[in-house]
Amino acid sequence: QITLKESGPTLVKPTQTLTLTCTFSGFSLSTSGVAVGWIRQPPGKALEWLALIFWDDDKRYSPSRGAGLTITKDTSKNQVVLTMTNVDPVDTATYYCAHMKPSSWYGMDVWGQGTTVIVSS
Amino acid sequence: DFQMTQSPSTLSASVGDRVTITCRASQGISDWLAWYQQKPGKAPKLLIYKASTLESGVPSRFSGSGSETEFTLTISSLQPDDFATYYCQQYLTFGQGTKVEIK
Repeated sequence: QITLKESGPTLVKPTQTLTLTCTFSGFSLSTSGVAVGWIRQPPGKALEWLALIFWDDDKRYSPSRGAGLTITKDTSKNQVVLTMTNVDPVDTATYYCAHMKPSSWYGMDVWGQGTTVIVSS
Repeated sequence: DFQMTQSPSTLSASVGDRVTITCRASQGISDWLAWYQQKPGKAPKLLIYKASTLESGVPSRFSGSGSETEFTLTISSLQPDDFATYYCQQYLTFGQGTKVEIK
């Protein structure tokens, strides 16, 4: 059974760096075709892609929020980390990590429960 | 910039209705499209990927079709559990969502 869980600070001040960790189980991020992504959802708004990292360490970033984003993986710890620099109140959202199975054409089949991040001074 | 335009933004329907949601891409994307269902306070659930492939465990009343720039998600007979918000997704872009409400 695949599970993912997001963790990180609930409250961050503007201009600070936000670091979120996705800890997963039930799969290996060294398996061909597998990826883990980060998606966020501001309160009452639509889903927004942030970043995706593949089994081979290939990375993709959202054109709209790509600036200041870094995604990395630690295969031995079964973790994916997203860092976001210079956060702003508009970055207040629920942040999800999700699993992409091989040959799903970027369809994310298993999601974490999400973690709420508030950016405020 | 690449965009996904979803319509309608809100849809009012009754149990048993056939419901169709449309997603249009600003450029051809072959069949690289997924559909999700999201309920309040919950993570999205994958329904369909590769435009028309039903995810395991998803009821057969859900179906997807289309290619290149126009795609549809159809619910053949709306059930009480289906009242939710639906999103299309291509690569790293989501549509704006369609909220399916009780009529």
